[in-house]
Amino acid sequence: AQTVTQSQPEMSVQEAETVTLSCTYDTSESDYYLFWYKQPPSRQMILVIRQEAYKQQNATENRFSVNFQKAAKSFSLKISDSQLGDAAMYFCAYRSVGANSKLTFGKGITLSVRP
Amino acid sequence: GAVVSQHPSRVICKSGTSVKIECRSLDFQATTMFWYRQFPKQSLMLMATSNEGSKATYEQGVEKDKFLINHASLTLSTLTVTSAHPEDSSFYICSAETSTDYGYTFGSGTRLTVV
Repeated sequence: AQTVTQSQPEMSVQEAETVTLSCTYDTSESDYYLFWYKQPPSRQMILVIRQEAYKQQNATENRFSVNFQKAAKSFSLKISDSQLGDAAMYFCAYRSVGANSKLTFGKGITLSVRP
Repeated sequence: GAVVSQHPSRVICKSGTSVKIECRSLDFQATTMFWYRQFPKQSLMLMATSNEGSKATYEQGVEKDKFLINHASLTLSTLTVTSAHPEDSSFYICSAETSTDYGYTFGSGTRLTVV
């Protein structure tokens, strides 16, 4: 079974600075998808970024980018130019290839942004 | 984009009564719906996977007689909490796979309080 580990329960960042959220996972599969989801106080789950394991290039979405290290099974999220609206819980998630595969979530990390 | 509409957003019920939560996929067909439970500041815990036209698959430790799941159409899945007790108070979220990004669209969640 796959597992996702987020070892940092909380982090804080100064507005406009950069912060990196860590995630590691364990799997025996060679192809899979990885995600970062954001859950603000409204508790609506929002997709931040995704990465296909077969792609070597790290995914980027505006201020959000990942550092995907397949051999190390590491998938960290970098948030640049942090904004107050980035304050939320962030979840790293894994899914297998194949229709309707379930998501396996990490425990999440609470990110606070200091003005 | 793909939207999953979840209702109600909040519900308060008396102990011993049943509560139904609905999730509708508005602009796509959801052959599979995932139901999660989330406690404050914790991760999403998968309760069950519902498939249109067939019985739901429950995760280990989830009482199938308490949490009844029905997925009668490609656009509607329901979770009924039967004979609710205060310990069933939680945040319940549904999600369905979207075909465009290999991720999932989440409902906005239901906060259930049993008094």
